[in-house]
Amino acid sequence: NAGVTQTPKFQVLKTGQSMTLQCAQDMNHNSMYWYRQDPGMGLRLIYYSASEGTTDKGEVPNGYNVSRLNKREFSLRLESAAPSQTSVYFCATKPGQGAYEQYFGPGTRLTVT
Amino acid sequence: GQSLEQPSEVTAVEGAIVQINCTYQTSGFYGLSWYQQHDGGAPTFLSYNGLDGLEETGRFSSFLSRSDSYGYLLLQELQMKDSASYFCAVRSQLRDDKIIFGKGTRLHILP
Repeated sequence: NAGVTQTPKFQVLKTGQSMTLQCAQDMNHNSMYWYRQDPGMGLRLIYYSASEGTTDKGEVPNGYNVSRLNKREFSLRLESAAPSQTSVYFCATKPGQGAYEQYFGPGTRLTVT
Repeated sequence: GQSLEQPSEVTAVEGAIVQINCTYQTSGFYGLSWYQQHDGGAPTFLSYNGLDGLEETGRFSSFLSRSDSYGYLLLQELQMKDSASYFCAVRSQLRDDKIIFGKGTRLHILP
C-alpha cells in the first residue's frame, strides 16, 4: 500500500501561473486535508474535506481552490500563483470523524518566483 | 476561532527528560494530538488525549487538562534521534473534522 501520495514533489512557478497539486490515498479514509508549512509558522490548514462531496475552508483558504474528486483524491489548485504561496504543501488523511490520527503525505515543495 | 501556543524552541541533554507545553483556545474541544516532524520529513502521529490525564506510549507521554486548556508532551530518556519539531493539534468540533496545528516546538538535544 502506498498510503498517501502527493505529486509533484517539487515545482517552480512564475507569478501568475496556475497549477494543481494532487493528493491520493489508498487507505479508504473519509477525511482529507491540505496544509501549508512555512518556517516558524507551523502547519496551517488551507482546506479540508470531511467526506466525499464536501469541502470546507480552513485558516488560510485565500488564493486556493480544492476538489474532492472521489474518496481517494483531493486536489489543491492555485489559479494565479503569488510569491507568498511559496511553501511546502502537505496532504493528510484520517479514517473519519471518530478517529484522531492523521496520516501525512511526503509533501510538495513549491517555489513561486 | 482557534489558537494554540507552544514554545518555539527547547533544549535538553541526551538522557534527560523534557516537557513541551501547549495551551489552546477553541470554541469547542474534541481532543489534543501531538506530532513529530524531522527536518525534511512529514509529520507523524505520536499521541492523543481526548480526556483529562496522562497517556503513555513508551518513552513518550502526553497530558491533558481540559479545565486549564492545557496539555504537554513529555519525552524521557532523550536520544539524539529525538531532535525534531513537535506540534500540538486540536480538533474543536466532531462534526466537520477540522484540525488546527500549533506553530511547533523545535527540540535541540545536546550530547
